[in-house]
Amino acid sequence: QSVLTQPPSASGTPGQRVTISCSGSSSNIGSNTVNWYQQLPGTAPKLLIYSNNQRPSGVPDRFSGSKSGTSASLAISGLQSEDEADYYCAAWDDSLNGSWVFGGGTKLTVL
Amino acid sequence: QVQLVQSGAEVKKPGASVKVSCKASGYTFTSYYMHWVRQAPGQGLEWMGIINPSGGSTSYAQKFQGRVTMTRDTSTSTVYMELSSLRSEDTAVYYCARENVVVVAATALGAFDIWGQGTMVTVSS
Repeated sequence: QSVLTQPPSASGTPGQRVTISCSGSSSNIGSNTVNWYQQLPGTAPKLLIYSNNQRPSGVPDRFSGSKSGTSASLAISGLQSEDEADYYCAAWDDSLNGSWVFGGGTKLTVL
Repeated sequence: QVQLVQSGAEVKKPGASVKVSCKASGYTFTSYYMHWVRQAPGQGLEWMGIINPSGGSTSYAQKFQGRVTMTRDTSTSTVYMELSSLRSEDTAVYYCARENVVVVAATALGAFDIWGQGTMVTVSS
């Protein structure tokens, strides 16, 4: 069971806007920034969003992130077939000795 | 270009140990922390621990304390992750990941910006 909670699946048609939620607690999302990773089938994860809403160079501006309280969201606008992937949120957790924690992942299907 | 190249797939018997390597290139090895993250088949990502390639200090997730050892060799820009007392539940793809830290308003914000290709470790009798 993952520390951060994500819906197991999401879907949309090409061109639509979809959002993926990530819920945590005061020790992780509530006090630290959130990163999002995209994992295409059979590949390593790729950094998609860092520090809640920052995009690394090369990531299209169709991808955006936000955070409020102990929850965060990833939004994908203008959905494309190549966006079909698993998406994971992550945050540092201050409890115990500290650790990185991940969401369980959301499988995005482009219909 | 900046990349992390991991060692090949391993098959181990229960109770054995496995050592996975991760060779960095294209950047200053000692300037970035390195993490290990694993992913069991069909499952999500799980953080295992961190090593500071500069001084070699480590911090491990509580779940793996006593079973995992992370080391580095600065002469070859390589980090290693050794997991002992293997059991079937350790069957997973193991990734190394570089942490890039951005300082904003005196706060260090980290993210895993470069990942290795992954190493499949299968534990089976």
